Amino acid sequence: QVLLVQSGAEMKQPGASVKVSCKASGYAFVSYGVSWVRQAPGQGLQWLGWISGFNANTNYAQKFQGRVVMTADRSTNTLFMELRSLTSDDTAVYYCARDGVGIAAAGKPDYWGQGTLVSVSS
Amino acid sequence: DIQMTQSPSSLSASVGDRVTITCRASRSVHTSLNWFQQKPGKAPTLLIYDVSTLHGGVPSRFSGSGSGTEFTLTINSLQPEDFASYYCQQRYNTPFTFGQGTKLEI
Repeated sequence: QVLLVQSGAEMKQPGASVKVSCKASGYAFVSYGVSWVRQAPGQGLQWLGWISGFNANTNYAQKFQGRVVMTADRSTNTLFMELRSLTSDDTAVYYCARDGVGIAAAGKPDYWGQGTLVSVSS
Repeated sequence: DIQMTQSPSSLSASVGDRVTITCRASRSVHTSLNWFQQKPGKAPTLLIYDVSTLHGGVPSRFSGSGSGTEFTLTINSLQPEDFASYYCQQRYNTPFTFGQGTKLEI
């Protein structure tokens, strides 16, 4: 079955960076992409960006441009999302979700990881 | 960015009821509209994509309709497991954006 297993909770200080991993299994890695979505405590869902598992092309939300980097390791079927210059506003659960392989097919995340809580506090 | 607005923000209903949630887009998203369900402490799950196509395994009591800027999610004959939060999301333009959510309570 399709599984996306994310790394564990992180506690960071303001100004630091965090790197969340998402290991994919149960499907052809290169035939799909992955979107990253976050949810602040008690809040709604916010899309950070998308990466292709085929060629590692990315599309980042303008709000996070320059602060987020998404990468893919085809040898281990693992995706990574690094967010830099953290502030308390970045405290949220971060989700990876399987999505379309190209940006034209993206935006329909059908299987989600369990989420990774990132807490930012001094 | 395309703004997505859901109404109501919360809704009380009973098992067996029929409920409708509305989602409006700040400009046309054509038929590029998805619906998600989220239960407390869990990841969202895809219910409906492209306005009205049910994701695999989703019960037929869920249905979606609309186009352009106005969309609806209807749940017929509510079941206990349907009490959750629901989000619409447009995928017409990046950044993909979500509605603020509708909490469906007993």
